[in-house]
Amino acid sequence: NAGVTQTPKFQVLKTGQSMTLQCAQDMNHNSMYWYRQDPGMGLRLIYYSASEGTTDKGEVPNGYNVSRLNKREFSLRLESAAPSQTSVYFCASSPGQGYQETQYFGPGTRLLVL
Amino acid sequence: GEDVEQSLFLSVREGDSSVINCTYTDSSSTYLYWYKQEPGAGLQLLTYIFSNMDMKQDQRLTVLLNKKDKHLSLRIADTQTGDSAIYFCAEKGQSGGYQKVTFGIGTKLQVIP
Repeated sequence: NAGVTQTPKFQVLKTGQSMTLQCAQDMNHNSMYWYRQDPGMGLRLIYYSASEGTTDKGEVPNGYNVSRLNKREFSLRLESAAPSQTSVYFCASSPGQGYQETQYFGPGTRLLVL
Repeated sequence: GEDVEQSLFLSVREGDSSVINCTYTDSSSTYLYWYKQEPGAGLQLLTYIFSNMDMKQDQRLTVLLNKKDKHLSLRIADTQTGDSAIYFCAEKGQSGGYQKVTFGIGTKLQVIP
């Protein structure tokens, strides 16, 4: 099993450009998440998908959209990138939403917006 | 709202024990976690503890939970250079219909050979 995979690993964008970050998991998990990690801020939840066909906003959703394409894949889109979106983006998945179910993380996508 | 606090940095000598501390505010927390992040990598779950437990031991790792003080610690015995990483404390609690996980900012552990 590859676990959670993310593409690309690294991306440089100019302000105003758009891009989609891809995430896939092969663990048959129901729930998937997108976080951003910034220095001194820990991880903050952008969007999550509790199950296939549903998506909900997290703590910092502004400037982002998501698509739960199928059970395996959950993409994050930046329609018009801004320098404030320079960050490391992590995708995660979990079997479900139960208390005992932990999240498994991908390796991250490092995004620089100039 | 929920908050998880950790110190930023800890330096220990190889072979010594490391203790990383964390405090949290959410009294409805059910599970508390420790994640490890190595340079350039994602977060890897190290261990977790259910909120009705006081202690959990897993090989070189010992987790202590003081629920009254909302204090969580991770002890790494016989710390090795391979333990150098950032360690994140996290707690899971209810937030509306979602089991929200709140992360601390991470403690960078430096192991000196």
